[in-house]
Formats: sequence, structure tokens, C-alpha cells
Amino acid sequence: GAVVSQHPSRVICKSGTSVKIECRSLDFQATTMFWYRQFPKQSLMLMATSNEGSKATYEQGVEKDKFLINHASLTLSTLTVTSAHPEDSSFYICSARATTSENNEQFFGPGTRLTVL
Amino acid sequence: GQNIDQPTEMTATEGAIVQINCTYQTSGFNGLFWYQQHAGEAPTFLSYNVLDGLEEKGRFSSFLSRSKGYSYLLLKELQMKDSASYLCAVMDSNYQLIWGAGTKLIIKP
Repeated sequence: GAVVSQHPSRVICKSGTSVKIECRSLDFQATTMFWYRQFPKQSLMLMATSNEGSKATYEQGVEKDKFLINHASLTLSTLTVTSAHPEDSSFYICSARATTSENNEQFFGPGTRLTVL
Repeated sequence: GQNIDQPTEMTATEGAIVQINCTYQTSGFNGLFWYQQHAGEAPTFLSYNVLDGLEEKGRFSSFLSRSKGYSYLLLKELQMKDSASYLCAVMDSNYQLIWGAGTKLIIKP
């Protein structure tokens, strides 16, 4: 149980295009989902917290107009990187916290590796 | 500010035991997590401690001392597949996870 999927797993795009990444909780409902970014040899950096039915909460320094988050249902959150640039190339990972979680554990998706040319 | 400290890198021998330490200073405490992350993959959950003491799960054990702001992850009977980064994360009073930079564990035959 507690499986989180991400799609796509890998994407290469041209500079200036937009990329959408989907995060789904497959066998549980997730009121809250989290979007992280991880650069090589660095730790996870929380970008934003996504709550179903409300606006996402962005961390300081993360541009909300560039990284659009939509949490349309209890099992799906999407991150759209708009007008992507090479410096946006990174490993993007989502996680989901079950509505019935006892220890607030976050279940991670497999990640999406974005390369912007 | 909030801070999680853990060693950058450790090396151990196959079959041996290794202890990875983590110290933290956070605004509030709602539990400490250890995750394993292989290169190019997402983190996978290893353990959760919210009360003081030792939690044992197979070859892996995790210890917590809230008064000292300290935890360790103990790995026994090391296997080559245990080569990975081990991330310590603390959940603060807002239920946000504060992440350490991770400890890269290198296992040698």
C-alpha cells in the first residue's frame, strides 16, 4: 500500500517551453502533497506544499508564477514548470501524506528528471 | 533557525556495523524520520521515532534522544546494496519536514 506515482519519469525539453509533472497517490487519499527539487549531491529542497482544494503554499524564493501547482483531487497534484530554462534542470520529487496518517509519514513518488536544453 | 546536521560521507566494510548520527535544532518536534536514497532515485522510508529510545527493524535500528536533539541510524551486517545516501528529517511544529543534507555511505568489500 501507500504507492505514489509520478509521470513522466524523465523529460527533456527546449528552453522556453512548459512541462507538466503529475503526482498521484494510487491507493490512498492525500489531503496534502509536497513538491521537492533536488540538485546533484544536495539534499531535498521543499518547493511548495499542495493542499487539495486550496492554493499551494510556496517556500521562500520559489516563484509561484513559474511553478504552477494544482491539487485538483485527493489523489492528484500537478506541477507545471512554465517557460523552463536550463537552470530549472533538476530532479523533481513529490510526496503525499495520507489523510489517515498516524505518524505524518510522507510517501515519495519515484521522481521526475527534467533536462532543459 | 532550523538546522539538521549529519556527516557528509562515511565508509564501512561489508558485514560490519555502521552508525550514522544526526543532530537537530528545530522549532518544535513531531518526530524524526530516516530515509534511504539510492543515486537517481526518490527516498524510501526507513524509520520513524517520536519517543526516546531505540526502534529496531531487522538490520536497521534508529535511536532518538529528544533532550539532546540527537538521533542515530544503526546498520548491521552491511551489504553492498546498502551503499546509498541516508537522510535524516525532523518534522517541526508546523508538521513540515526539515531535511538534513544526507550522509553518503560507501560500502567496501
